[in-house]
Parts: sequence; C-alpha cells; structure tokens
Amino acid sequence: GAVVSQHPSWVICKSGTSVKIECRSLDFQATTMFWYRQFPKQSLMLMATSNEGSKATYEQGVEKDKFLINHASLTLSTLTVTSAHPEDSSFYICSARDPGGGTGELFFGEGSRLTVL
Amino acid sequence: QQQVKQSPQSLIVQKGGISIINCAYENTAFDYFPWYQQFPGKGPALLIAIRPDVSEKKEGRFTISFNKSAKQFSLHIMDSQPGDSATYFCAADHSSNTGKLIFGQGTTLQVKP
Repeated sequence: GAVVSQHPSWVICKSGTSVKIECRSLDFQATTMFWYRQFPKQSLMLMATSNEGSKATYEQGVEKDKFLINHASLTLSTLTVTSAHPEDSSFYICSARDPGGGTGELFFGEGSRLTVL
Repeated sequence: QQQVKQSPQSLIVQKGGISIINCAYENTAFDYFPWYQQFPGKGPALLIAIRPDVSEKKEGRFTISFNKSAKQFSLHIMDSQPGDSATYFCAADHSSNTGKLIFGQGTTLQVKP
C-alpha cells in the first residue's frame, strides 16, 4: 500500500526554538495532506489541512502563526512549530490519501514525537 | 454534531475471545467509517472500513457491523490474540471524502494470554 513517511520520528528542543517536521508521500502524489496532534492516551485531533501550492486551512482553535504549514510539492508537507513551549509537546501525525487508490483510504505517517524542555 | 463517540475506553479480553468496540455518530453526512489500530509510538494503521450501503463487512478476524438507522457501528475482533493488544480508533468522514477524519476517543484493548 501507499506509504507516508515522517521525519524526524522524535525530537527534543529547548523552549523558544522552532522545530520542523516533514511529511512525505513516498509512492504517490498528494495535493492534500492532513496534520493531526495526539496527546498521550488521547485521540487524534485534526490541526490543519495542507494544500499544495496554496495556504493551509486550520481547524478552529489552532494558531496558524504557531504551527506553520508549507506544502511546497506534491510529495512534501512540512509543519513548523514556532517558538515552541512545553505545552506544545505532543505526538504529531500526518496523513494523505492516494488519489489513485479506489478505496479512499487515508494513509498515516509513523508520527513525530516532540518534547519541548 | 461532528462528534464520534466510542466505547468502551478500555477492554480486557482473554485469548480466543471476541473483542467488541462500539461507536456512534450524529452527522448523517458521514458516509465512510474506518477503524484504525495504533501501537504505542506509532501512527494509526487502517484495519477495515465500511460505507453505509452495506450492513456488515468482514476481513479475516475483523468485522464491522453498521446500523444506519441507529447511526452506530462496531468492530468485532474474533479469536482475539495478544498481538491484537493496541488502541483502536473508529472514525468518520463526510460524503465528499474530504479526508478530514473525525476520530472517536479510542479503546485500549488488552488481550490476555
């Protein structure tokens, strides 16, 4: 099946710094990717929809200036957590749908665990 | 109306038993209902999915039962194995297949040997 890759899988940073997480579709082109956030023992919450060549659309309550999303190519979306603080520590997961697939399945990356000290 | 309610929060089943997880939704525009399995520290992986035009779908040991009138759907894991121990999430998507999945709260399943 289609593969979505995330990098890094985990990252530790100091408070106030910015961290970039990459999401790649390895064997298909994705005009749209989705970024989710998951706190320990909780469900996945959609943060934003990343659109290739245009601005991302953010869910209600998500600070677009804090979580910068860039979808520069059909296989890469990036999430930058700016001026990170301990409360931003979380598991960030991206997803994408293979437009060539007939099932509508959404493929998820392995996730990126961010710890802000 | 956007919520998907999942129960139970946790479940312990003996090896070989049947695990049953339930979900309910309110938005009738939802028409794609996947179930995901997530192991600690990993992203969710699709197990099985159903659309409202059928009442049941079976893939191996996993079965989805769908009740459109009640707006409920459930996952049945037959002959549960210790390797099935994971967190399971139901989800729903709109008729336009936006990809913006709405997830249930999750169920932590432990299958005892």
